[in-house]
Amino acid sequence: GALVYQYPRRTICKSGTSMRMECQAVGFQATSVAWYRQSPQKTFELIALSTVNSAIKYEQNFTQEKFPISHPNLSFSSMTVLNAYLEDRGLYLCGASDNQAPLFGEGTRLSVL
Amino acid sequence: GQQVQQSPSSLVLQEGENAELQCNFSSTATQLQWFYQSPGGSLVSLLSNPSGTKHTGRLTSTTVTKERRSSLHISSSQTTDSGTYLCAIDRRNNNNAPRFGAGTKLTVKP
Repeated sequence: GALVYQYPRRTICKSGTSMRMECQAVGFQATSVAWYRQSPQKTFELIALSTVNSAIKYEQNFTQEKFPISHPNLSFSSMTVLNAYLEDRGLYLCGASDNQAPLFGEGTRLSVL
Repeated sequence: GQQVQQSPSSLVLQEGENAELQCNFSSTATQLQWFYQSPGGSLVSLLSNPSGTKHTGRLTSTTVTKERRSSLHISSSQTTDSGTYLCAIDRRNNNNAPRFGAGTKLTVKP
């Protein structure tokens, strides 16, 4: 079956350091990958949408300089949280799609000390 | 951009009661999904229902596309149904990513 794996599931980083998280699509081709952040007590905010053969579209309040994304092939994407601070803590979710309803991973929960 | 409004923001029920959750959206949606998130947990897909009515187990979703609204009905609620219910909308043809509503936090008391 089709699945989306995210790694790591949980991670802790020191304030000011960076954290890379990965998203793997299994059983289908991820032509587009969306990354979200759920801050404590909030809903999922869209960070950016990466579509193969198109530029990555970042939402307002999120930048490539802070959240660089790589989408090198149809099964993998990664996002890095650069220079993480307390306000970056939360659950980071990826949703991968091949023009159907996206499948979501279980998220990477980031804590910042 | 797409706006997604969910109501109520929270709901408290006694076990056995039914729940009715609403999702309203600002633009035409080609995909609408309902999700469940347990407290501190990950996202679980419940139903994908861009139009019409769909059932699965104790869940029924009805989406009226032209009125830009969807509902999720939970019958005979159980304590294990407690958590947050989110709807997400996208317009697939425009290569837009799904947008989530703020969710309805459901608490089912024994």
